[in-house]
Amino acid sequence: EAAVTQSPRSKVAVTGGKVTLSCHQTNNHDYMYWYRQDTGHGLRLIHYSYVADSTEKGDIPDGYKASRPSQENFSLILELASLSQTAVYFCASSGQGTQNTLYFGAGTRLSVL
Amino acid sequence: GEQVEQLPSSLIVQEGASVLINCSYTDSASVYFPWYKQEPGKRLQFIIDIRSNMERKQNQRLTLLFDKKTKHLSLHITATQPGDSAIYFCSASNDYAQGLTFGLGTRVSVFP
Repeated sequence: EAAVTQSPRSKVAVTGGKVTLSCHQTNNHDYMYWYRQDTGHGLRLIHYSYVADSTEKGDIPDGYKASRPSQENFSLILELASLSQTAVYFCASSGQGTQNTLYFGAGTRLSVL
Repeated sequence: GEQVEQLPSSLIVQEGASVLINCSYTDSASVYFPWYKQEPGKRLQFIIDIRSNMERKQNQRLTLLFDKKTKHLSLHITATQPGDSAIYFCSASNDYAQGLTFGLGTRVSVFP
């Protein structure tokens, strides 16, 4: 059974609209991450969190917010979706420390029109 | 920040052949290098890793070589099977920042 679950699996949004991507993990991991995958850019880190009620900026945080209401849940919020945010978004979780395996969700394909 | 480059970007091999994927990084502070595999339509899955105090690691048909001096890694897959068809990602992390820096991936296609 998948330990990192993302919803929705795909979404079409309108430019300027609000989008919320959700992630739920049952790994009992402290760390959770949001990455985006684009052709030609690989995976890039948007936000991460190491404890509930706290989030940290990754490499490309502009235009995104994150929320970690509990250890299990981590959301990515696009307040004003733009065409450039069309991508596949992956959530992942890991244990403590910087040298831990990441466990990924299945991804959310977001198309902003 | 760290930059990770992978070559080639794609390759096609016949079943049973070997595959070599090269990866280089720029930040000498990087100490941990996990590799992930993404099969079509599936989530990224960890396959093998190496730390900077090692030179070689093997896991069944996978062999990972690491050269700290040249900041270079290579992943060797032997006796390939159609199930090895996937995108393979090299990544790097250090001891002071969270998260991994990924390469662009190498698409491997294995034909019977």
